[in-house]
Amino acid sequence: GENVEQHPSTLSVQEGDSAVIKCTYSDSASNYFPWYKQELGKRPQLIIDIRSNVGEKKDQRIAVTLNKTAKHFSLHITETQPEDSAVYFCAAGGNTGKLIFGQGTTLQVKP
Amino acid sequence: EAGVVQSPRYKIIEKKQPVAFWCNPISGHNTLYWYLQNLGQGPELLIRYENEEAVDDSQLPKDRFSAERLKGVDSTLKIQPAELGDSAVYLCASSTGTSGSDEQFFGPGTRLTVL
Repeated sequence: GENVEQHPSTLSVQEGDSAVIKCTYSDSASNYFPWYKQELGKRPQLIIDIRSNVGEKKDQRIAVTLNKTAKHFSLHITETQPEDSAVYFCAAGGNTGKLIFGQGTTLQVKP
Repeated sequence: EAGVVQSPRYKIIEKKQPVAFWCNPISGHNTLYWYLQNLGQGPELLIRYENEEAVDDSQLPKDRFSAERLKGVDSTLKIQPAELGDSAVYLCASSTGTSGSDEQFFGPGTRLTVL
């Protein structure tokens, strides 16, 4: 069945360093790849998304890259800040109307 | 714009008891989703509605779970009877469109504890 694998499960960086989270998906029909940030006890919130017609998208300190051939996409956060600490989820969706989520990455940014 | 509203935020029940969760999506959002989120895991879809029609309930354990969205607006998810393994966060989300490439807006969730 459809599957999204996310790595690493935990990531600890020093403030100011970069963080990279990687996901692979199994359904080649997927064409929408959002990233959600979930702080402890709060709702998941969309931080950036990318569609299959582009390879990279950037929004200030956050960027996402997509390699459709390899069925692989990544989240890059530069100049990390303590408030970036949260759980990040990738997801893959397509014309089925369904989003498949990865298992999540707990990011800790140490001041 | 008001976000997705869910209630209650927390619920503690004993096993074999029934429980119900309520969700009010963002106004004008035709598609409503119920997700299950276990601790340390990503959300997993239980059921998806387009207006009042359940278009994907393949992951809903129908022996004990039921859902409704009678007027195509708010929705209720019910568990009867609850089991220990049902302890989790139940998230509701909504989107404007019906494809899997529309942004989904999540509610705060209901944290269920079954004792």
